[in-house]
Amino acid sequence: DAKTTQPNSMESNEEEPVHLPCNHSTISGTDYIHWYRQLPSQGPEYVIHGLTSNVNNRMASLAIAEDRKSSTLILHRATLRDAAVYYCILELAYKYIFGTGTRLKVLA
Amino acid sequence: EAQVTQNPRYLITVTGKKLTVTCSQNMNHEYMSWYRQDPGLGLRQIYYSMNVEVTDKGDVPEGYKVSRKEKRNFPLILESPSPNQTSLYFCASSLSGTRGNTIYFGEGSWLTVV
Repeated sequence: DAKTTQPNSMESNEEEPVHLPCNHSTISGTDYIHWYRQLPSQGPEYVIHGLTSNVNNRMASLAIAEDRKSSTLILHRATLRDAAVYYCILELAYKYIFGTGTRLKVLA
Repeated sequence: EAQVTQNPRYLITVTGKKLTVTCSQNMNHEYMSWYRQDPGLGLRQIYYSMNVEVTDKGDVPEGYKVSRKEKRNFPLILESPSPNQTSLYFCASSLSGTRGNTIYFGEGSWLTVV
């Protein structure tokens, strides 16, 4: 069965880069990798997604391993507002498999 | 404003009393889905719909029903709720459910079954 694995929690200092890893060794060739984050008492919100190549947007970067079995979400300069639970998600043609999420704590 | 709206946001009900959680989106999305979120388990997909009158099971469909009679609405039905269905529920929509389209989530519905 498709699965994603993430560390339970990570800490970062404010203004420093953060690398959030995800393992998805069961990924297939057409499965997209999504990252969403969830703030307390809110629904998840989009961060970034990719298929094979690394991706950048105004919020973050996504680095995808060459074999696609893992990926890393990179927040270039963490702020206090980035404290949230970050989910790595596999999109399997209409089905979405969520990891258990990484709780990111940002230290002032 | 692009929105996915769920109702009710909070509900306490008793075992066996049928209930419906409504979900509506205003983005003309073809794809809609329901998730439940439980501590330590992340979000798990209950049901999804690729378009009107087309639905399929997710990973945890037992005890739930859905229907998609109109494009904008995708209600979640608990015919006979049980305490193990106490959870936080999210409705979501996206353009197609494929090709990496962005998923938009509702604010969540807290359901307690006693």
